[in-house]
Amino acid sequence: EAGVVQSPRYKIIEKKQPVAFWCNPISGHNTLYWYLQNLGQGPELLIRYENEEAVDDSQLPKDRFSAERLKGVDSTLKIQPAELGDSAVYLCASSSRSAGESYNEQFFGPGTRLTVL
Amino acid sequence: AQSVSQHNHHVILSEAASLELGCNYSYGGTVNLFWYVQYPGQHLQLLLKYFSGDPLVKGIKGFEAEFIKSKFSFNLRKPSVQWSDTAEYFCAVNRGGADGLTFGKGTHLIIQP
Repeated sequence: EAGVVQSPRYKIIEKKQPVAFWCNPISGHNTLYWYLQNLGQGPELLIRYENEEAVDDSQLPKDRFSAERLKGVDSTLKIQPAELGDSAVYLCASSSRSAGESYNEQFFGPGTRLTVL
Repeated sequence: AQSVSQHNHHVILSEAASLELGCNYSYGGTVNLFWYVQYPGQHLQLLLKYFSGDPLVKGIKGFEAEFIKSKFSFNLRKPSVQWSDTAEYFCAVNRGGADGLTFGKGTHLIIQP
């Protein structure tokens, strides 16, 4: 089974430029998450999708960040314009309900490491 | 809102030493608890989880964790570490279902041969 795929793996841009990250979840996983991981910190949730609906975007800085999951499969996270403080690793994860379980195990992708100069 | 505190940011041990990494969480309701591991150059992987039942849970690679509700703790243990256990370890919680995870800051574990 293929895991969560993210691209690009690395991105270097200058401040004020736009940038986009792409995520392809595990086939059949209806829940998709974007997390931000700063250096030396644990991941922090940015947004969660159930199919194509954003059900939790309370931590997404909406002035410059946007996300979409138009067909309930792939997702794109965009930053416009990027700032120096946005340098971090952006992680995508996906999950699906397991029968008889009270939780959905989240599977993480390799992340996109963004450097803003 | 829930929060997670990991006591040690850097731990260095020799092979065969015993390991215990501390994790405390802050949340008044029912939570699910997780330990994730990130080996060098790899993505986050689930090590073990607790959501109900026996508070002592066993995970992959000989790891175990004990949920102590009265202390809001979920410490990770391994009786004898190996060089290959060198990695970053993250404690995490959520309220269940498909809820997003709240992570601690992580513990960087280095095992010296």
